[in-house]
Amino acid sequence: AQTVTQSQPEMSVQEAETVTLSCTYDTSESDYYLFWYKQPPSRQMILVIRQEAYKQQNATENRFSVNFQKAAKSFSLKISDSQLGDAAMYFCAYRGPSGGGADGLTFGKGTHLIIQP
Amino acid sequence: GAVVSQHPSRVICKSGTSVKIECRSLDFQATTMFWYRQFPKQSLMLMATSNEGSKATYEQGVEKDKFLINHASLTLSTLTVTSAHPEDSSFYICSAALLGGAKGFYYGYTFGSGTRLTVV
Repeated sequence: AQTVTQSQPEMSVQEAETVTLSCTYDTSESDYYLFWYKQPPSRQMILVIRQEAYKQQNATENRFSVNFQKAAKSFSLKISDSQLGDAAMYFCAYRGPSGGGADGLTFGKGTHLIIQP
Repeated sequence: GAVVSQHPSRVICKSGTSVKIECRSLDFQATTMFWYRQFPKQSLMLMATSNEGSKATYEQGVEKDKFLINHASLTLSTLTVTSAHPEDSSFYICSAALLGGAKGFYYGYTFGSGTRLTVV
């Protein structure tokens, strides 16, 4: 079974600084998808960024970027110029390679990100 | 964008009663929906996968008879917690797979806003 590990239960960063959240995963598959989701106090899950395993280029979405190391099975999220609105729980998630949308997500335990003004 | 509407957002029920949670896809057809459970300050755990017109597939350890899932149409999936007990109190979230193109390739997920169930 696939597992996703987030080793940082909580991280704190000063506003406008950069923070990196760690995620490792275990899979025997070669083709899969990785995600970072944000869950603010409202508890609505918000997609931050997504990476297809077959793509070597790291995904980037504005201030959010990932460092995808396939061989090391590592998928870290870097948030640049942190803003107060970035404060939330961040979950790393994995999806396997089956066709269509048949697979649900396997989530890590989450990292609580605190932004210090 | 693709939106999943989940209701109710909060529900309190008495022990022994049943509660139904609905998830509707508002502007797309959801062939596949997923149901997750989230305990306080914990991760989301996949409970089951529902496909329109067929029986749901439950994850190991999830009681099929307690958590009844129905996906009778392409826009509605329901989760019924039967004979609820205090240990069923949790946050339940639905999610729909987003598929597109002629071959129906997966390109993402969208989540409902969740339901906080409290059993007293």
